[in-house]
Amino acid sequence: AQTVTQSQPEMSVQEAETVTLSCTYDTSESDYYLFWYKQPPSRQMILVIRQEAYKQQNATENRFSVNFQKAAKSFSLKISDSQLGDAAMYFCAYRSYEGNYGGATNKLIFGTGTLLAVQP
Amino acid sequence: DTGVSQNPRHKITKRGQNVTFRCDPISEHNRLYWYRQTLGQGPEFLTYFQNEAQLEKSRLLSDRFSAERPKGSFSTLEIQRTEQGDSAMYLCASSIGQVYDQPQHFGDGTRLSIL
Repeated sequence: AQTVTQSQPEMSVQEAETVTLSCTYDTSESDYYLFWYKQPPSRQMILVIRQEAYKQQNATENRFSVNFQKAAKSFSLKISDSQLGDAAMYFCAYRSYEGNYGGATNKLIFGTGTLLAVQP
Repeated sequence: DTGVSQNPRHKITKRGQNVTFRCDPISEHNRLYWYRQTLGQGPEFLTYFQNEAQLEKSRLLSDRFSAERPKGSFSTLEIQRTEQGDSAMYLCASSIGQVYDQPQHFGDGTRLSIL
């Protein structure tokens, strides 16, 4: 079974600075997706960024980028130029690739999250 | 795109009572998921529908839990004879199936508190 581990329960960053959130995972599959989701307090979970395991190039979305190390099973999120609105719980999640076809599940497997505080 | 809608937002009930939650997915999404999130934890998968068919259920989903999606549109999650351990946030998500690499969109969740 796949597992996702986030070893940093809480992180803090100064506004405009850069912060990196860590995530490791365990799987025997060769093809899969990895995601970072953001959950602001009392608000819905939103997708920040996603990475396909077969792609060597690291995904980037504006101020958010990932460092995907497939051999090490590591998937960290870098937030540049941190803003007050980035304060939230961040979850790393895994999804099997096979879920794209037929009736196979697309369930997400989440880590325990990292609570990010942004200091003004 | 009106987003995934969940009702009610909060539910407080006494132990032993039955509760039902509703999820309205994004209109063109044929896949629907239920997750449960307890305090300090990430969401855990409960069950998955493709159209009206329930294709997977987690072992977390005891016999007291039942989910339906009768016409492939909205879904309900019912918990019978609620227990203290059922207190959690219940999240619904939806996505488009049979299309490559489509992410799940989440609702605001229903927070269940058992007295």
